[in-house]
Amino acid sequence: EAQVTQNPRYLITVTGKKLTVTCSQNMNHEYMSWYRQDPGLGLRQIYYSMNVEVTDKGDVPEGYKVSRKEKRNFPLILESPSPNQTSLYFCASSLWGSDEAFFGQGTRLTVV
Amino acid sequence: QQQVKQSPQSLIVQKGGISIINCAYENTAFDYFPWYQQFPGKGPALLIAIRPDVSEKKEGRFTISFNKSAKQFSLHIMDSQPGDSATYFCAAPYGGSQGNLIFGKGTKLSVKP
Repeated sequence: EAQVTQNPRYLITVTGKKLTVTCSQNMNHEYMSWYRQDPGLGLRQIYYSMNVEVTDKGDVPEGYKVSRKEKRNFPLILESPSPNQTSLYFCASSLWGSDEAFFGQGTRLTVV
Repeated sequence: QQQVKQSPQSLIVQKGGISIINCAYENTAFDYFPWYQQFPGKGPALLIAIRPDVSEKKEGRFTISFNKSAKQFSLHIMDSQPGDSATYFCAAPYGGSQGNLIFGKGTKLSVKP
């Protein structure tokens, strides 16, 4: 089944404790991106990647890191999480030139 | 950052009624306008999309209307059903790829039985 898989689905952590949210897609898509969803603010892009080793900042990159060492994986790293990073995070992937982005199920992160 | 402005923020419609959600954009270089649908606990999924060479696209009960001169596009849901209750996002691509999307702030639609 074609899908984008995020892990974990739920995470509660403490301020300052490094964490990684993984994202994997099995559709051989070139494009991958991370979004955060907050009430009243919609989906805001954090980082995106056009292919292996090619990444760029989105709208709200501060406090986040990403890497794209393999085409299928695009982890989101929070080196020192803060409470304002409490949010619902989505990973998405798409084929270059395609009309559709495919989203994962989301990761709900709470930083206390 | 290029923007798409979506309204209303929330919408309540009776079963069988018409739901209308509007979106306005700034960048005339945008050439693809999708709508995504999100159910609670799920990721957004593509619902319907339009390119600016046509003024309307219909898929079942869902229709996109596009007004190039006004830089606006809207989603119409005919004969709205309780199963249509979801959050709807308009979007537009930037950076030259349909996969790199900027989203509106979303409209939470509730269809009452």
